[in-house]
Amino acid sequence: GAGVSQSPSNKVTEKGKDVELRCDPISGHTALYWYRQSLGQGLEFLIYFQGNSAPDKSGLPSDRFSAERTGGSVSTLTIQRTQQEDSAVYLCASSKGLAGGLNNEQFFGPGTRLTVL
Amino acid sequence: KNQVEQSPQSLIILEGKNCTLQCNYTVSPFSNLRWYKQDTGRGPVSLTIMTFSENTKSNGRYTATLDADTKQSSLHITASQLSDSASYICVVTNNNAGNMLTFGGGTRLMVKP
Repeated sequence: GAGVSQSPSNKVTEKGKDVELRCDPISGHTALYWYRQSLGQGLEFLIYFQGNSAPDKSGLPSDRFSAERTGGSVSTLTIQRTQQEDSAVYLCASSKGLAGGLNNEQFFGPGTRLTVL
Repeated sequence: KNQVEQSPQSLIILEGKNCTLQCNYTVSPFSNLRWYKQDTGRGPVSLTIMTFSENTKSNGRYTATLDADTKQSSLHITASQLSDSASYICVVTNNNAGNMLTFGGGTRLMVKP
């Protein structure tokens, strides 16, 4: 597709379960970002991948959160032993290079709405 | 600490009216500033980007201004339409290595008929 896609669009899970969220970036984009957006709040950076470099995990809130990017394309964000405070929209974005530069606009996916009961 | 503050948090206006959203930042060293529009249930979409040397940038009915001295930006929406109802997010990029983006909390705009 032409844009960033994410799946599932909605996920309801029980406290303590593990969840996996998927992101398909725009083809050819080397940088991929994960953000969390709680209701009425701004975007919270979680992790980013840039090419073959080690990911920047500085935004992950706890060791229950992890992410991987296989083959420089698809990424999976995993949350283990989910807690109610993990409920949020998880947004993925990709860019040609490291985001922020004039020619490296971030393109966002529609997000996955996670609800932990 | 790099911070981006937006005001107001929410705003309700009547269709056809103008409005101005504010963004103050303390990001340093400054590289550029973007305004994004986020429709409900969608990811943010870039409206404008401005560098240090740019004072104003327009995109249709959206006009962004930047005062790099006072570290303030505004987004002015002219002749608002119902479809302008969305959250508007200010994002400032710094020139440091690593994750360079700082997001504001957004302004939630509702345009009523």
